[in-house]
Amino acid sequence: DTGVSQNPRHKITKRGQNVTFRCDPISEHNRLYWYRQTLGQGPEFLTYFQNEAQLEKSRLLSDRFSAERPKGSFSTLEIQRTEQGDSAMYLCASSLSVGTGEYSGANVLTFGAGSRLTVL
Amino acid sequence: DAKTTQPNSMESNEEEPVHLPCNHSTISGTDYIHWYRQLPSQGPEYVIHGLTSNVNNRMASLAIAEDRKSSTLILHRATLRDAAVYYCILGTGNQFYFGTGTSLTVIP
Repeated sequence: DTGVSQNPRHKITKRGQNVTFRCDPISEHNRLYWYRQTLGQGPEFLTYFQNEAQLEKSRLLSDRFSAERPKGSFSTLEIQRTEQGDSAMYLCASSLSVGTGEYSGANVLTFGAGSRLTVL
Repeated sequence: DAKTTQPNSMESNEEEPVHLPCNHSTISGTDYIHWYRQLPSQGPEYVIHGLTSNVNNRMASLAIAEDRKSSTLILHRATLRDAAVYYCILGTGNQFYFGTGTSLTVIP
């Protein structure tokens, strides 16, 4: 297994355009997370999936953002009508859920290298 | 959101031990303490995690205070490859909240 793969690694777009990022998690991992990271800050949680179900979304995820994980495999994060404030590194992580409820905080995340978005 | 507090930056001499502190005074009984590190232009990398007891692995040791309101990541012998931003995170249910981390500089 080559780990978590993200594509494209870099994307430059003009304001108002739509962009889509893809994440291929580790094959046996059932959970997939999306984070956003701006310069000098730690990653901010956006959303996560358990298999194909999107179970939680951050209030940071505006209506212009949509994430999918069809068939519980790869995931896509689409940003519509991009704004300059969307410029950031978008990180994907996956994990094998070893616990539920109060034990799910023990899950270990494996991150991809990220997709850097620059909106001009 | 569960929050952690870390110093913005620390320095260490190469081949010396490094103790990276973290405060998490709002930790709840079921929150796990995780440490990740991030090298430039890379995604975060898992280092270690624990619940109540101290933990050791090949990368580092995690010392957890008895009241669990603070923890310390210990790198036993810092190398130049350990220069990174280290994040102390609380695994709260299904989410993991990152702070701004500690930028570790290793001096040759």
